[in-house]
Amino acid sequence: KQEVTQIPAALSVPEGENLVLNCSFTDSAIYNLQWFRQDPGKGLTSLLLIQSSQREQTSGRLNASLDKSSGRSTLYIAASQPGDSATYLCAVRHSNTGNQFYFGTGTSLTVIP
Amino acid sequence: ETGVTQSPTHLIKTRGQQVTLRCSSQSGHNTVSWYQQALGQGPQFIFQYYREEENGRGNFPPRFSGLQFPNYSSELNVNALELDDSALYLCASSLGQGRSYEQYFGPGTRLTVT
Repeated sequence: KQEVTQIPAALSVPEGENLVLNCSFTDSAIYNLQWFRQDPGKGLTSLLLIQSSQREQTSGRLNASLDKSSGRSTLYIAASQPGDSATYLCAVRHSNTGNQFYFGTGTSLTVIP
Repeated sequence: ETGVTQSPTHLIKTRGQQVTLRCSSQSGHNTVSWYQQALGQGPQFIFQYYREEENGRGNFPPRFSGLQFPNYSSELNVNALELDDSALYLCASSLGQGRSYEQYFGPGTRLTVT
């Protein structure tokens, strides 16, 4: 069964700092990996989608990398802003067992002005 | 283009009751997936509907059931509610049922069971 882990569970940084969020998964036979943002009590906003054949994706201040063989992904946020405060979730889709996402428990980020 | 919408936004029910949650998929999307997110946890896959047929199910009991309509909107029904059913219920729509299709999530319905 695919297990997705996110470390750290919570992170607090001063505004302007660069930061890295980590995601690991136990089964490397993934089809793709997606990073989401979730504001308190709200739905999920897609940030970046990486196919299994890709190594990284970039969107603005966000950069996500994927190392499928080691079962790891990182989300890099440059020049953090208070508006980046949210929970960040990573999710993987497995190659062999259907279309569902397997989610991690998320990293709660607070950017202090 | 209208995004994924869900109703109601909040709901309070008593243990043993039944509940129906609704989801309207994004325009042109024929696939809807439902997830349950308990407080402090990541979402857990309940099931997926593709063209009105169930197309995959997670580890949830039969009292969780669903429907998809010809316009691709969907319902999640939960019978015999238990306290542990309290959660945020998310639906996500996509252009197709394959893994390459990106899923777009709605704002969720917060269900509280007392």
